[in-house]
Amino acid sequence: DAGVTQSPTHLIKTRGQQVTLRCSPKSGHDTVSWYQQALGQGPQFIFQYYEEEERQRGNFPDRFSGHQFPNYSSELNVNALLLGDSALYLCASSRLAGGTDTQYFGPGTRLTVL
Amino acid sequence: LAKTTQPISMDSYEGQEVNITCSHNNIATNDYITWYQQFPSQGPRFIIQGYKTKVTNEVASLFIPADRKSSTLSLPRVSLSDTAVYYCLVGDMNTGFQKLVFGTGTRLL
Repeated sequence: DAGVTQSPTHLIKTRGQQVTLRCSPKSGHDTVSWYQQALGQGPQFIFQYYEEEERQRGNFPDRFSGHQFPNYSSELNVNALLLGDSALYLCASSRLAGGTDTQYFGPGTRLTVL
Repeated sequence: LAKTTQPISMDSYEGQEVNITCSHNNIATNDYITWYQQFPSQGPRFIIQGYKTKVTNEVASLFIPADRKSSTLSLPRVSLSDTAVYYCLVGDMNTGFQKLVFGTGTRLL
């Protein structure tokens, strides 16, 4: 049973560029959340997708957008990259229907903006 | 969402039992307490979750007093491989669309 997977593992971009990160949820999960983790800080919630719609959003600008596909996988897009966008981007999946909504995290994508 | 407070870091020795306490004075009736472990450059890993009293699994134990205003994560006989950051989170896990609010965590050395 595959866990949450993310691609790519590492990415280097320059300021002003755009980036797309990808996430495949754990088998049986239908909800995907994205988090940004700066060095030395805890993860910060970006947004959450369910049934291909954004359901919740954290305090992030519109430069951060996402998408969920019918197979529950998801993408995170960041436009007009800033140096401050350098971070570990984490995807977490969960199952909405019933029970406690434990989120399981992927290994993350390390984004470096130069 | 209830705010949590935990020590920034803790030292330990191999073979020692380690207890990390988290304070959550404003915990709501429907809130669960969840602990995650994170190694450098990896995603957080779910350790344990509880609502009240004591929960134990193969990795850790979670002690929650009757007033639920704090909780203690207990790691038995730690080893070097337990060196990580431990996060305490509080939230209503039954609402769906749950956004996890992480603090700065406790760095176990």
